Amino acid sequence: DTEVTQTPKHLVMGMTNKKSLKCEQHMGHRAMYWYKQKAKKPPELMFVYSYEKLSINESVPSRFSPECPNSSLLNLHLHALQPEDSALYLCASSQAGLGYGYTFGSGTRLTVV
Amino acid sequence: GENVEQHPSTLSVQEGDSAVIKCTYSDSASNYFPWYKQELGKRPQLIIDIRSNVGEKKDQRIAVTLNKTAKHFSLHITETQPEDSAVYFCAAPISGNTGKLIFGQGTTLQVKP
Repeated sequence: DTEVTQTPKHLVMGMTNKKSLKCEQHMGHRAMYWYKQKAKKPPELMFVYSYEKLSINESVPSRFSPECPNSSLLNLHLHALQPEDSALYLCASSQAGLGYGYTFGSGTRLTVV
Repeated sequence: GENVEQHPSTLSVQEGDSAVIKCTYSDSASNYFPWYKQELGKRPQLIIDIRSNVGEKKDQRIAVTLNKTAKHFSLHITETQPEDSAVYFCAAPISGNTGKLIFGQGTTLQVKP
């Protein structure tokens, strides 16, 4: 069992829908991340929460918005997505700071129709 | 910004042979280099990592070597087995003490029985 839990595992949504992806970790990690991964491509960083501070990849469109209710939870709110946003969305956590590997969740397979 | 180049993009070996995957990075301040294995339809999993104060690290059939002068690091898998077949990603820190990682483009390793 993964120590980073993501829900749902699969999601199909229309372009006018609003949905949320959830991520939870119980390892006491102080940094959590959202990555987007297209087929046959590496994960691309979207957002980082480290010590309750948000860091954004400026190329991520505003239709994606993260929320960190506490240090164990990281949500990703989705609104007015486009078909090209269909991808695997991976949450990860790590000890904060440089030099620590990630533990990834199993991902949410998102399809936008 | 940081850039990570990974080669080759695909690698096919016979069972029992060795496999080597190489990555180069651009930020000389980088000091942590993890390797992830991603099986089809699954999440990336950390298999080995190395910090810049050592030149080599080994874990059973897997080893990673680091050449800080040349700014490259390599993954070595010996006595390959069919279950080693997967996509392998190297990664390096994005500049700054943030824990953010940028991933290489990935290497699809196929081990033929």
